Amino acid sequence: NAGVMQNPRHLVRRRGQEARLRCSPMKGHSHVYWYRQLPEEGLKFMVYLQKENIIDESGMPKERFSAEFPKEGPSILRIQQVVRGDSAAYFCASSWDTEAFFGQGTRLTVV
Amino acid sequence: GESVGLHLPTLSVQEGDNSIINCAYSNSASDYFIWYKQESGKGPQFIIDIRSNMDKRQGQRVTVLLNKTVKHLSLQIAATQPGDSAVYFCAEIDWANSGYALNFGKGTSLLVTP
Repeated sequence: NAGVMQNPRHLVRRRGQEARLRCSPMKGHSHVYWYRQLPEEGLKFMVYLQKENIIDESGMPKERFSAEFPKEGPSILRIQQVVRGDSAAYFCASSWDTEAFFGQGTRLTVV
Repeated sequence: GESVGLHLPTLSVQEGDNSIINCAYSNSASDYFIWYKQESGKGPQFIIDIRSNMDKRQGQRVTVLLNKTVKHLSLQIAATQPGDSAVYFCAEIDWANSGYALNFGKGTSLLVTP
């Protein structure tokens, strides 16, 4: 079991570009969560998805951010027209029941 | 709003000593708590969990204590080793209101010195 796989590990984007972050959950896991972590901070919940459904997006910014978890393929966190404040580490976690396993994260830098 | 926070941002201990990391939470409806360890450049790693109907749970070298009266959680690490150096986060879940969303505290940096 390869664990939760995130790619890319590092992503650099210019202001105004789009960022696409991918997350492949652990085999057999149908729940995916995205979190954002700023330096020296804890993780902030963004969105919780199951296959083809968004269950809870209460932590997602209202604009420019979207997430999906299609029937086939990885979950995608999409950030349009990135700004410097979007620079952070974005972690994906997956679970089958209560214990969530985290990926290594994608570190987004907006220049 | 509701929050989970930590008392001490940094903790330095000598190798072999016991470590205690504290966490306060404010959501009285929280019913599941987890401690995570995060090493530099890596994702959080599950350490131990405890449900709200328990006061104490033990793992290998780690013990979690839950005091619901004062909404306080602690992680005890016995015989701390250099490999324990990391940032430790407590997280809580309020199943009824927030489902599976983990609410993380800011973290305590544990530094183990030889």
